[in-house]
Amino acid sequence: KQEVTQIPAALSVPEGENLVLNCSFTDSAIYNLQWFRQDPGKGLTSLLLIQSSQREQTSGRLNASLDKSSGRSTLYIAASQPGDSATYLCAVASYNTDKLIFGTGTRLQVFP
Amino acid sequence: GAGVSQSPRYKVAKRGQDVALRCDPISGHVSLFWYQQALGQGPEFLTYFQNEAQLDKSGLPSDRFFAERPEGSVSTLKIQRTQQEDSAVYLCASSLDRDQETQYFGPGTRLLVL
Repeated sequence: KQEVTQIPAALSVPEGENLVLNCSFTDSAIYNLQWFRQDPGKGLTSLLLIQSSQREQTSGRLNASLDKSSGRSTLYIAASQPGDSATYLCAVASYNTDKLIFGTGTRLQVFP
Repeated sequence: GAGVSQSPRYKVAKRGQDVALRCDPISGHVSLFWYQQALGQGPEFLTYFQNEAQLDKSGLPSDRFFAERPEGSVSTLKIQRTQQEDSAVYLCASSLDRDQETQYFGPGTRLLVL
């Protein structure tokens, strides 16, 4: 059974810092991995999707890497801003299933 | 364009009451998913539709939970005889087709069972 873990559970940093959020999964036979952002009381917004054959994806100040063999992904946020404050969730999709398996998230607070 | 919408946004129910949660997916999206998110946790899969066919309902926690999508667009998640442990945010997501991996999520319905 696939299990997804995210470390740290919470993070509070001053504005301008570069951040690394970690995600690990137990079954390396994944189809893809996605990073989402969730703001309080809101739904999920997809940030980056990495296919199993890819090593990384970039969007603006965000960079996500994937090491399938070791069951790890990292989300790198450069030059953090207060507007980045949210919960970040990673989710994996496996072959032969359409559902996403989510981690418990990292709650990020960036203060001015 | 319009995203995924859900209604109601908030629902307070007395224990034992039946509730119905509605999801309007993005127009033309074939796949529709329901997830349950408990406080402080990540979303957990409940069920999946491809058009009107319910292809996976392995995540439904009990037979009190029932989902339908009769015309392949709007979906309803029904919970009968609600219990306190049903209190959670119920998220709906849609994607263009089975091979379109990106799922677009609605804002969720926050259910509180007293």
